[in-house]
Formats: sequence, C-alpha cells, structure tokens
Amino acid sequence: QQPVQSPQAVILREGEDAVINCSSSKALYSVHWYRQKHGEAPVFLMILLKGGEQKGHDKISASFNEKKQQSSLYLTASQLSYSGTYFCGTEVAPNAGNMLTFGGGTRLMVKP
Amino acid sequence: NAGVTQTPKFRVLKTGQSMTLLCAQDMNHEYMYWYRQDPGMGLRLIHYSVGEGTTAKGEVPDGYNVSRLKKQNFLLGLESAAPSQTSVYFCASSPLSGRAYEQYFGPGTRLTVT
Repeated sequence: QQPVQSPQAVILREGEDAVINCSSSKALYSVHWYRQKHGEAPVFLMILLKGGEQKGHDKISASFNEKKQQSSLYLTASQLSYSGTYFCGTEVAPNAGNMLTFGGGTRLMVKP
Repeated sequence: NAGVTQTPKFRVLKTGQSMTLLCAQDMNHEYMYWYRQDPGMGLRLIHYSVGEGTTAKGEVPDGYNVSRLKKQNFLLGLESAAPSQTSVYFCASSPLSGRAYEQYFGPGTRLTVT
C-alpha cells in the first residue's frame, strides 16, 4: 500500500523551514527520500533504516520513527534550489531487489 | 560514466502499436527497475530485475513485458499500446551492496498514446 505524504504542497519564502511527513500503515524496514525537479529524474537524498536513526545532509535532515511507521524530512533555512517535488519510498522488509513503494509526493516551492 | 541512459526521450504511438524502451547502465548494478509516473503522481513500479536473465512483476505490470538479456540493459515492451499507457517512464538501477543503497534514475521517456 502506498505511503501517505503530507502536506501535498507547501510554499515558502527563502530562509523559512519546512517539514514533510511520510506515513505508512505497515511496519517499515527503511524509508528513502528523493527530490524531483520539474521535467527531470528523481535524485536521491537519503535513506533511513529501521532503528530510529536521524540523518542529515547540509540543511536537510530526516528522522524515522518505526513505532509510528512514519518518517519526516526537515528542510532548514530553505534555499531557492530546494524547490521541487519530494517523494518518500518505503520498504516494508528486506527484499530481493530492494523494491520501494513511493508516496504521491509533496510539491515545495521556495520564493525569494 | 554516463550513469543510467534511456532511449528514446520522446515517443508518440497510435493505439495498438508496439514499441520497446531501452535502458542502459554502466555502473555494473545488479538491480534494475521500470517505473511509470503519471501527471502529479508518484512513481509506480512496473517490472524489476534482480540480475541478468531474471525479471519479476511490480505493482502495475499489465500491458508491459520486460527482458534483461545483458546485465547492463533492461528493455520495456508495450505489445499493444493503449491511451492509458500515456505516461513518463523512468528506468533506475541499484547496486547489490548491503543495507545502504540508492536507486539511480535515468532521464525518463515521455510516451503519448493517441
């Protein structure tokens, strides 16, 4: 079953913060985050594995709460380059092929 | 390295026509995938492969066939195209490397079926 992302869209001013959530009805093994700019391919951001770890890359970080089957992506002091659609991909168990089920996406627009 | 490449970039088909999309990767990845992305929606897995000569169905396999005769190539075929198959098709690959992995995506093929 497809994970649910919220919000569906968000508009920010440069320098503002945002949180994007990804929730699943199933117990998760891992959560992947990707960003896709209009007309381009998705680009990998980070992976969070079962264990509640938090990761960060520059001013983008994420957490994984396996008890709530939820992951959150935090964008701090947003930049114009953060604009795009963010997708979470979930894996319910280690599987041959590392298959993911992607959420519907969250559109983020950062304005000057 | 070119990474993941897809051919063609654009294609227009008439209902009932057939075509093959080619995906190639030069990273020696074991796993390859075909996704479709409809406007304003996420990625849905069509078929995938865990190695040369093996393929398996994903979430939305009906109307598509795939083959992986060589490790670096993954072909997606439409035998009889339908308007419902109008979409952007993405190929991706992933290494077999423990718990930490990512999927590398190609640039996509925009297919319109009229």
